Amino acid sequence: GEDVEQSLFLSVREGDSSVINCTYTDSSSTYLYWYKQEPGAGLQLLTYIFSNMDMKQDQRLTVLLNKKDKHLSLRIADTQTGDSAIYFCAESISNSGYALNFGKGTSLLVTP
Amino acid sequence: DTAVSQTPKYLVTQMGNDKSIKCEQNLGHDTMYWYKQDSKKFLKIMFSYNNKELIINETVPNRFSPKSPDKAHLNLHINSLELGDSAVYFCASSQGNSPLHFGNGTRLTVT
Repeated sequence: GEDVEQSLFLSVREGDSSVINCTYTDSSSTYLYWYKQEPGAGLQLLTYIFSNMDMKQDQRLTVLLNKKDKHLSLRIADTQTGDSAIYFCAESISNSGYALNFGKGTSLLVTP
Repeated sequence: DTAVSQTPKYLVTQMGNDKSIKCEQNLGHDTMYWYKQDSKKFLKIMFSYNNKELIINETVPNRFSPKSPDKAHLNLHINSLELGDSAVYFCASSQGNSPLHFGNGTRLTVT
């Protein structure tokens, strides 16, 4: 299938905002997701947005959805060193039993 | 109280062997999944399964087979292991179109 696209690396200074961008492929996806993976760990659901919304805010996290352009972004305010991880964007896959199609992941490095 | 648990956490084996990875979820979810994460951290769906339907990613070799003794378990059996099978394998579960909950992964190394 087609690929969900993300930039592979992002480096920010502690205290700055981070913005991770994603372009997804399936316009019929009901939900779009952001997962976080710390080194050696599994995938942790960070947040998700319903496709009829254009923004969702959850504490330091803001998700923006542009359905026309199939563009999803995750903004992390006041980024901390503990936010260093890989962030995956994911879309639901049609006719797959609710499986998700993941982007290649963006490695976020937060420097002091 | 782990929601999705996989065993073993690490598995080292030789080429040609047959091995299984076990997965259990205590969330009461109706669908379970297996994903493969390669050395570049790319995640690909291998299977999704509920008690009615198995959906297989067409790129998965038939040496890989999911086995589900009951709704809470989905094990992954791999025959004739190859070097290219080395990866981290993640089990996940969901209820309908709720978000997927992932296990902590099994790191398989084939020598």
